[in-house]
Order: sequence, then structure tokens, then C-alpha cells
Amino acid sequence: DAKTTQPPSMDCAEGRAANLPCNHSTISGNEYVYWYRQIHSQGPQYIIHGLKNNETNEMASLIITEDRKSSTLILPHATLRDTAVYYCIVRETTGNQFYFGTGTSLTVIP
Amino acid sequence: GAVVSQHPSWVICKSGTSVKIECRSLDFQATTMFWYRQFPKQSLMLMATSNEGSKATYEQGVEKDKFLINHASLTLSTLTVTSAHPEDSSFYICSAGQDTAVRTQYFGPGTRLLVL
Repeated sequence: DAKTTQPPSMDCAEGRAANLPCNHSTISGNEYVYWYRQIHSQGPQYIIHGLKNNETNEMASLIITEDRKSSTLILPHATLRDTAVYYCIVRETTGNQFYFGTGTSLTVIP
Repeated sequence: GAVVSQHPSWVICKSGTSVKIECRSLDFQATTMFWYRQFPKQSLMLMATSNEGSKATYEQGVEKDKFLINHASLTLSTLTVTSAHPEDSSFYICSAGQDTAVRTQYFGPGTRLLVL
């Protein structure tokens, strides 16, 4: 599975959009991009996934570049409850295992 | 939908004892479940893949005789930490995925183990 690179930490003002980048330059054509987040002392929570088209759900939007080498998770109106570690993971459609990187620790500031 | 539970949420045990942790998929069936371990301020580390009706697959460096995994049904996998020692103290998390093409994984709330 391709490796991902994320900034270790980011801050965002409450109510503003949080844009979390992820680099996955070695991604292959049959690998999805998944985003999860982990609030302190809890299990990871699924946010969104995509293959090559941009995706949006009730939690977030996922923007994948045309060459698929990077993506951005957008939380449109960050709240204090969005403070968490966000993980970007790529995995083959036929694969099973998820391998977590170090993620981005997002702090939403009042 | 897609809820995964774990039991217990907290366990404290004496060194040398064995501890069993249960992982259940509550509203879907999962032929495959996964066990992770997370130390403080670190990321999740995949320990093993639990396969219903067959032997688990362990990641490199994980002792299969130390961490016994049983996946007896499509909704239950158990992890037994045998002869636990203080260095086994950690946050253990399981996940399960629906058997769809996308195979999104859903995670349990985790079990915190403290070995004294």
C-alpha cells in the first residue's frame, strides 16, 4: 500500500474551514483514499473516502487532485469537537488491512 | 449502522494473568476483523487480521502465542493477551468491515489494558 505524508499538527479557528492536506505520490490506480479521525482515547471514526472524484458527505469534503498524488480533507465549519488526530490512508480496493501513519493533530481554537 | 463494540472498555490485571477482549460487529457480519495496539502519543499499529473460521494472520513482530485470536462467528472476534506483563499495557482497538467492494473499516471504542 502507498505511504502517505501529513503535517504533524495544525490549528484552525472555530467556525472557519479546516483544510487538512495529505500527500500520496506513490498511489496506484486501484487504491482508495480514506480519512479517519481519532478523538483522544477513542477508536478511530470513519470520515470519508474517494477514488478520483471529489466527495462530500455530512461530515466533510474530500478533494483529490487530478493526478491523485495528493488530497485535502475539508471540514467546512470547524467546531471544538473536531479537535482530533486525522489520518489519511490509502488502500487497494481488494485489500483488507489499514496501515496508519502518524496523522495530523488538528486543534480547533475558540 | 456499522457499529463495532468492544468489551471490556477498561481492564486492570496482575502480571502473569491472561486477559480476553471481545470485539463485536453489532449490525453487520464481518468475515474479517482487525486488531490494533496503540501506545501513548503514537499511531495505531496493526497487530493481526482475524479471519472467521480460520487462523489469524499476524503482522511481523507480533507473537501469535502471546496474542491469541479467535474469530468463531461472523460477528465476534476475541483477543487474549496471555501471561500479560506491564509492557503489554496499551490501548487495544479492533475494527471490522462490511463485505462490500469498498470495504470501509469501522472501529470499536477501544480497550485500555493496564498490567500491574
